Amino acid sequence: AQSVTQLDSQVPVFEEAPVELRCNYSSSVSVYLFWYVQYPNQGLQLLLKYLSGSTLVKGINGFEAEFNKSQTSFHLRKPSVHISDTAEYFCAVSGGDYKLSFGAGTTVTVRA
Amino acid sequence: GAGVSQSPRYKVAKRGQDVALRCDPISGHVSLFWYQQALGQGPEFLTYFQNEAQLDKSGLPSDRFFAERPEGSVSTLKIQRTQQEDSAVYLCASGPGNNYGYTFGSGTRLTVV
Repeated sequence: AQSVTQLDSQVPVFEEAPVELRCNYSSSVSVYLFWYVQYPNQGLQLLLKYLSGSTLVKGINGFEAEFNKSQTSFHLRKPSVHISDTAEYFCAVSGGDYKLSFGAGTTVTVRA
Repeated sequence: GAGVSQSPRYKVAKRGQDVALRCDPISGHVSLFWYQQALGQGPEFLTYFQNEAQLDKSGLPSDRFFAERPEGSVSTLKIQRTQQEDSAVYLCASGPGNNYGYTFGSGTRLTVV
């Protein structure tokens, strides 16, 4: 079975500052990793995914994440945030069986 | 349609009442999932369909929960004799195949009073 731990439940950040959201996973098999964003009263939108290949993955809205197998991590970063990045962010893992296991989420609040 | 549509958006049910939640996936999408998202938590897997076949229902929390997709398109999640612990957002997702290109709907927020 796979599981995900998101190390920060809330991350306040000032506009135009960088942000990093931490995600660690556990799995006994090869994994696929994902970051989703959820705006209030909306569904989940895929930001980026790691299936194979380069460990640095670039996604939408200027986000990127790095897969680190030795540290079992998949941290999400953005060099400069906007007010519109205020949302809930979920890290998810799959062992290749189509099911996603999600973390508890990180609330990002961007302040002017 | 352009996205995954779920209805109703909000549902308030009295304890013991039966409810039915509908999901209209993206046309042509083979895979369909239901997830349950409790307040302040990440989504948790409930069940998976490939076309009309329910291949995995291991996440359904009890036999009060039942899902179907009889013609391989629209799906319905039914909860019988609702309990307060059933209060959550129920998310539907669809995808063209097993490539993790899933699109999520906006969810149905169920409140059991």
